[in-house]
Amino acid sequence: AQSVTQLDSQVPVFEEAPVELRCNYSSSVSVYLFWYVQYPNQGLQLLLKYLSGSTLVKGINGFEAEFNKSQTSFHLRKPSVHISDTAEYFCAVRNTNAGKSTFGDGTTLTVKP
Amino acid sequence: DTGVSQDPRHKITKRGQNVTFRCDPISEHNRLYWYRQTLGQGPEFLTYFQNEAQLEKSRLLSDRFSAERPKGSFSTLEIQRTEQGDSAMYLCASSTTGTNERQYFGPGTRLTVT
Repeated sequence: AQSVTQLDSQVPVFEEAPVELRCNYSSSVSVYLFWYVQYPNQGLQLLLKYLSGSTLVKGINGFEAEFNKSQTSFHLRKPSVHISDTAEYFCAVRNTNAGKSTFGDGTTLTVKP
Repeated sequence: DTGVSQDPRHKITKRGQNVTFRCDPISEHNRLYWYRQTLGQGPEFLTYFQNEAQLEKSRLLSDRFSAERPKGSFSTLEIQRTEQGDSAMYLCASSTTGTNERQYFGPGTRLTVT
C-alpha cells in the first residue's frame, strides 16, 4: 500500500517570495512521483515528475522539486511566486508496475500582493 | 491532441436516480482511469482500463458503480441508486502504456445528489 502526506493544507505567501510545498510518501516498492496543479473549476495539470536519474527535477512555470529517497520526500519549490500561482497543488505517487496514482489531500497556495 | 473530454461537466440528480458519465480519452491512449475527488481531498482511484479490459477496481467502488470501455476508446461510469455521499467531482485521465507514461486529466464531471 502507498500513502502520500502533504504536510501543509494551506500556505499563504506574498508575491515574489519563495515557497516550498512539502510532500512525504510511504511505499514498499519503487515509485514514480508527481506534482499536479489544479486551478478553480479546471482539471489537474502536471507540473513535474520524477521517474529516475537526477533527483532535482524542473517543471513548468518555474517550479522544481527534489526527490529525497532516504527521507521519502518530494518537496516542491519556487524561488519567486506570482499571483497567478494561487491554486491547489497535489503530490502523487505511482508504483512503477501499476497504473493507478495515489494522491495527497492537497495544499492550497495563496499568493497575496 | 484535443485533450481528455468529459460529459456532462455538471450533473444534479435526486437521490435514488441513476446517472451516467462519459469520458473520451486522447485518441492514441490505451489506458483510461477514473478517479473521484471530494471537497478538500485529493483524487481517489476508482478503476482503470487498458484497452477494453478493466484491470483494477478500487474497493471504494461499490456494487452501485460500474464502468465500461466497450471498444477501447471512450468510457462510461454509471452510478445506480445515487446517494448523497456520491456527490463529488469525477475525474477521468488517460495515458499510454510506456514506462514514462504520464496521465492527462479531463476537466471532470461534478455530481450533486440532492
